[in-house]
Amino acid sequence: DTEVTQTPKHLVMGMTNKKSLKCEQHMGHRAMYWYKQKAKKPPELMFVYSYEKLSINESVPSRFSPECPNSSLLNLHLHALQPEDSALYLCASSPSGYSGRAGPDSGANVLTFGAGSRLTVL
Amino acid sequence: DQQVKQNSPSLSVQEGRISILNCDYTNSMFDYFLWYKKYPAEGPTFLISISSIKDKNEDGRFTVFLNKSAKHLSLHIVPSQPGDSAVYFCAASALRGDKIIFGKGTRLHILP
Repeated sequence: DTEVTQTPKHLVMGMTNKKSLKCEQHMGHRAMYWYKQKAKKPPELMFVYSYEKLSINESVPSRFSPECPNSSLLNLHLHALQPEDSALYLCASSPSGYSGRAGPDSGANVLTFGAGSRLTVL
Repeated sequence: DQQVKQNSPSLSVQEGRISILNCDYTNSMFDYFLWYKKYPAEGPTFLISISSIKDKNEDGRFTVFLNKSAKHLSLHIVPSQPGDSAVYFCAASALRGDKIIFGKGTRLHILP
C-alpha cells in the first residue's frame, strides 16, 4: 500500500459545527503532516507529527485541533471555523521522523500526499 | 516573503518539445529540493529531487538542474507528453529538519 487516504473528500459545514478530517497511511511512515492550500497558493504547513508526537504547530488557530491516535492515523478536528478557513486540506506522510535525515538522497523526507479534503465553511 | 519562487504561473509547450520549469530560492540554508506534480482533484505527487551536493539529477524524461550560486533550479521534461499537463510545485528544505517550503506552482499545458 503506497497511498495516503483522506476522508471525506468534500465537507461543507457551518461556523458552529464540529467536524473532523481523517487521514490514514499504511506505509510505515513515521511523520505525518497537515497542509492547507487555498486557490492559486502553495500548500502551507499547519502541523507535523513525528513518531506520534506533535513536533510542529505553525501558529495555527486553536479552532483546528490535530490528533494522532497511532502511527497510521492523523485527524484534524474542526470547531467554530470561519468562511476564510475554506480550503483544500492535504495530509502527507514521510518515511522518517521530522528531524531524522538519513542522508541527502535517502528520500527520508519525501512527502506522499493524499488527495485532500475540500472544506467549505458557510 | 516568499523563500521559494516560481515566477511563471503558466507555461504552454508543444507535445514532443522540451518543457523547462524554473524555480528560485532565497534561503541559502536550503540544501534539498523537490518537484511535485499535481492534477486537479488530486494531492501533489513526488516527481524528482536533488540535494545540494549534486548539480543534476535525472530520472527518465525528467531532469533537475541545480545552480547553487544563482540559487536557481530548473526541471526539464523531454519529450513533453499530454499527460504532463499539470501544476508543478518546486519545494525546498534545510538539512536540519526544517519544514518543506513550497513555491506557488507553474501550470504546464502540453499542446497537441
